[in-house]
Amino acid sequence: DQQVKQNSPSLSVQEGRISILNCDYTNSMFDYFLWYKKYPAEGPTFLISISSIKDKNEDGRFTVFLNKSAKHLSLHIVPSQPGDSAVYFCAASGNSGGGADGLTFGKGTHLIIQP
Amino acid sequence: DGGITQSPKYLFRKEGQNVTLSCEQNLNHDAMYWYRQDPGQGLRLIYYSQIVNDFQKGDIAEGYSVSREKKESFPLTVTSAQKNPTAFYLCASSVSFNEKLFFGSGTQLSVL
Repeated sequence: DQQVKQNSPSLSVQEGRISILNCDYTNSMFDYFLWYKKYPAEGPTFLISISSIKDKNEDGRFTVFLNKSAKHLSLHIVPSQPGDSAVYFCAASGNSGGGADGLTFGKGTHLIIQP
Repeated sequence: DGGITQSPKYLFRKEGQNVTLSCEQNLNHDAMYWYRQDPGQGLRLIYYSQIVNDFQKGDIAEGYSVSREKKESFPLTVTSAQKNPTAFYLCASSVSFNEKLFFGSGTQLSVL
């Protein structure tokens, strides 16, 4: 049972426009959320995070929004640049009640920035 | 430069062979992890270690083994019991458990 879902396997956006990547979760015990960016044959790199006490966190071109009632978070990238083309993973952690489980990752969304 | 080093970058396994993937970190992190990535899939947790001399099974531990004899090192052995070992393996570490992970550059394991 997937606890973290990224329902769009891929997303194509024009350069300069806004990219919005979505993530849904089912476990209400999650209280810390992260976004990672991954290029092919490389390890993921941390982008931005948000704790459940906030509903928004910004870092330069990247903003993460958290809607706890909807169990939904989104990553906004504006403006989108060619180097943003990568796979983006949403991850969540928290006390899941069953002991420590580490971060739970979604399947990723492949973002393609078109010139 | 602080970071996580995985080696080798590419590894080939013959049928019935055990292979060991290396992971070393000089970030002084307590927690270390092994994930597996298959095409079109997310990252699935194989094993994790919150502290030296302790490790726990993740979601897909069958066919794998680990050790954590030193804080800096967390090698993963893919045993012959793992029937579908071809995947991209990622090692990670964090200051403490369940915090932001820092990843290595990965090892691609293929079966000959």
